Amino acid sequence: KAGVTQTPRYLIKTRGQQVTLSCSPISGHRSVSWYQQTPGQGLQFLFEYFSETQRNKGNFPGRFSGRQFSNSRSEMNVSTLELGDSALYLCASSLDHNSPLHFGNGTRLTVT
Amino acid sequence: ELKVEQNPLFLSMQEGKNYTIYCNYSTTSDRLYWYRQDPGKSLESLFVLLSNGAVKQEGRLMASLDTKARLSTLHITAAVHDLSATYFCAVGYYGGSQGNLIFGKGTKLSVKP
Repeated sequence: KAGVTQTPRYLIKTRGQQVTLSCSPISGHRSVSWYQQTPGQGLQFLFEYFSETQRNKGNFPGRFSGRQFSNSRSEMNVSTLELGDSALYLCASSLDHNSPLHFGNGTRLTVT
Repeated sequence: ELKVEQNPLFLSMQEGKNYTIYCNYSTTSDRLYWYRQDPGKSLESLFVLLSNGAVKQEGRLMASLDTKARLSTLHITAAVHDLSATYFCAVGYYGGSQGNLIFGKGTKLSVKP
């Protein structure tokens, strides 16, 4: 069974630009979550989608947004990039409430 | 607000020794997970702990959960170099959605010969 797939693996953007990251969950998983990982703040929850609906949102500014498609694939978008947005962005999918999150390899975003 | 505290944050061990990583959380939860992350890699699920007294073991790693104390431990037995990695505990809000977890800061384990 294929794992969680994230594209692209690496991105370099300049301040003020916007970026879109993509995530394909494990087949059959309807919940997709996004996390930001930085050395200073660790792993922080961004948002969760289930059946195309945002179920939860973390404490991030409105520049961070996402969506989920009918095939459960998800995208997240960051607009007006800031230097502090440089991070590893991880997507995870899960089967049900008690199952672990399965993480993709992440997209490493560098903002210059 | 749910907070998760792990300690120690750094752990240097000799091969063959035993040690324990602690994970404390601040409010009621209905699930706790342990993950491993190797440098430059993603997170790998190790254990899922759902009830008080739950104990799971895989190889040299054993995880347990005490919901009354809001404490989980990850015990390492006879450490080997291959266990060198960063270990995270993650806690879900009681009744919360499946994808929203609060992670500890991680314990960076280095096992030396």
